[in-house]
Amino acid sequence: NAGVMQNPRHLVRRRGQEARLRCSPMKGHSHVYWYRQLPEEGLKFMVYLQKENIIDESGMPKERFSAEFPKEGPSILRIQQVVRGDSAAYFCASSPRSGPETQYFGPGTRLLVL
Amino acid sequence: AQSVAQPEDQVNVAEGNPLTVKCTYSVSGNPYLFWYVQYPNRGLQFLLKYITGDNLVKGSYGFEAEFNKSQTSFHLKKPSALVSDSALYFCAVRDILTGGGNKLTFGTGTQLKVEL
Repeated sequence: NAGVMQNPRHLVRRRGQEARLRCSPMKGHSHVYWYRQLPEEGLKFMVYLQKENIIDESGMPKERFSAEFPKEGPSILRIQQVVRGDSAAYFCASSPRSGPETQYFGPGTRLLVL
Repeated sequence: AQSVAQPEDQVNVAEGNPLTVKCTYSVSGNPYLFWYVQYPNRGLQFLLKYITGDNLVKGSYGFEAEFNKSQTSFHLKKPSALVSDSALYFCAVRDILTGGGNKLTFGTGTQLKVEL
């Protein structure tokens, strides 16, 4: 059973470009979470999605950031017009249900904005 | 909102000695607590969790954690440390989202360094 997969593992963008980060949850998991880890900091929650629904996006910046989890295919975290402050590691996690379930994390995408 | 605190940025221990990585929590209601480990340039790996039941929770790689309600602590322990245990350790607590579902709220992490 493959774990949570994320791609790309590393992404370099220039200021003003768009970044698309992909996450495929573990097989059988329909709950996806995105977290951001800034340098020298812990992980901060961004958004929680189920298939075709954004359940909670209270941790997402109000502008330039969006997320989706379509019926088919991976979850996408999209950052438009990136700025240097967006440089971070972005982690996706999945769980089979809501509640106090263990969240299993992917290897992360490390975004560097030049 | 729920929170956890990891009071030590770094813990150093000699290989073969017992190790403790500290975590205290602040929650309303029942706490659901987790420990994860992060190796350099890798994702987080789940070690163990406390939901209900025995206060001593056993997890992966020989780690265990003790839930102490009176001290609001959930310290991570291992009887005999290995050099390969050197990594960044995160304590986390489940937090309920107003929109439904849950998120994890993480501590700031503790860097464990095990030396020969």
